[in-house]
Amino acid sequence: QVQLVESGGGVVQPGRSLRLSCAASGFTFSVYGMHWVRLAPGKGLEWLAVLGHDGGSEKYADSVKGRFSISRDNSKNTLYLEMNSLRVEDTAVYYCVRDFRVGRYFDFWGQGTLVTVSS
Amino acid sequence: EIVLTQSPATLSLSPGERATLSCRASQSVSNYLAWYQQRPGQAPRLLIYDASNRATGIPARFSGSGSGTDFTLTISSLEPEDFAVYYCQQSSNRPFFGQGTRLEIK
Repeated sequence: QVQLVESGGGVVQPGRSLRLSCAASGFTFSVYGMHWVRLAPGKGLEWLAVLGHDGGSEKYADSVKGRFSISRDNSKNTLYLEMNSLRVEDTAVYYCVRDFRVGRYFDFWGQGTLVTVSS
Repeated sequence: EIVLTQSPATLSLSPGERATLSCRASQSVSNYLAWYQQRPGQAPRLLIYDASNRATGIPARFSGSGSGTDFTLTISSLEPEDFAVYYCQQSSNRPFFGQGTRLEIK
């Protein structure tokens, strides 16, 4: 079955960097676009970034553009999110999500990894 | 950016009752709208896509309707496991979620 397992979350100070990973299994990772979505405390879901199956079609939400970078290694079935210049408001659970209907929706979600930005 | 507004923010109902959740878009999204369920401590789950199509494995008590700017998620008879937060989502340019409706037990 489809599994997406995020890792790399933790507590980090404002201004520092963190890299999240997402290990995919149970499907052919290299043919699917992949996204990152987050859920901040007391807020709703926020889409962050997408990357096409071949590493192209990279897009970002305005809130993270220039600070976050999405990438993938299809040989390792792994998706990444490099987060730089972290802010307190980036505190959230970060989900790795599989693309459905060519970028329109999200059909499988990981369990998420918590990132806390605090001094 | 197309903004989605969900109502009500909180809906209090009893098991067995019918739930009607609303999602309004600031401009037309045609039928490109999805609904997700998120139970406490769990990842979101895709329920409905293209406004009215149930995702794989979703029970028939969940149905979606609407097009353009006004959409509805209906749960015909609430089961205990249906009490959760529900989000609508559109993807006209960038994916965007509504702020959610919390469905709680009355």
